Amino acid sequence: EAQVTQNPRYLITVTGKKLTVTCSQNMNHEYMSWYRQDPGLGLRQIYYSMNVEVTDKGDVPEGYKVSRKEKRNFPLILESPSPNQTSLYFCASSLVYSHQETQYFGPGTRLLVL
Amino acid sequence: QKEVEQDPGPLSVPEGAIVSLNCTYSNSAFQYFMWYRQYSRKGPELLMYTYSSGNKEDGRFTAQVDKSSKYISLFIRDSQPSDSATYLCAMRVDSSYKLIFGSGTRLLVRP
Repeated sequence: EAQVTQNPRYLITVTGKKLTVTCSQNMNHEYMSWYRQDPGLGLRQIYYSMNVEVTDKGDVPEGYKVSRKEKRNFPLILESPSPNQTSLYFCASSLVYSHQETQYFGPGTRLLVL
Repeated sequence: QKEVEQDPGPLSVPEGAIVSLNCTYSNSAFQYFMWYRQYSRKGPELLMYTYSSGNKEDGRFTAQVDKSSKYISLFIRDSQPSDSATYLCAMRVDSSYKLIFGSGTRLLVRP
């Protein structure tokens, strides 16, 4: 079954305490992305990766880091979380080919930074 | 001004109506246009994906891109209560996977 998994699903942390949200896909997709979703602001892309060791900034990269050492995994790192990073986070993986795209989203990670 | 503008709604229609959802944008370099559907407490799902101008149809859904007006639309025919969700538009340029989203329109289809 095609799947994107994220862990943890829910996280409460304090300002400044480093955290990592993991994302894994089982479809051998080259493209992976991270998004955050906030009320009234829709979805905003944080970072994306077009392949192993190839990452680039999305619309709102400040305060986040990513790495893509293996094709299946794309962790999101918050080195020093702040309250304005409280949000709902989604990871997605995509197959992009010949002006077509198949995309799967993970179930989301709800983060509260106190 | 935001790069992509989308009316937040909510848009309430009776079952069976034709729904029209729209986005405008300012960046003429956008080449790929997407519509997502998101049910409450769920992740988005890619509904329609269009390259450049023109129409694309998939069942009850039609996506339309008018690059001259910088305007995209999603039409839903014979709307059903199960179509009640938030619909987000997104777009990107050809040479990048950086996606810019609209803020989403909440749709309610009344039985």
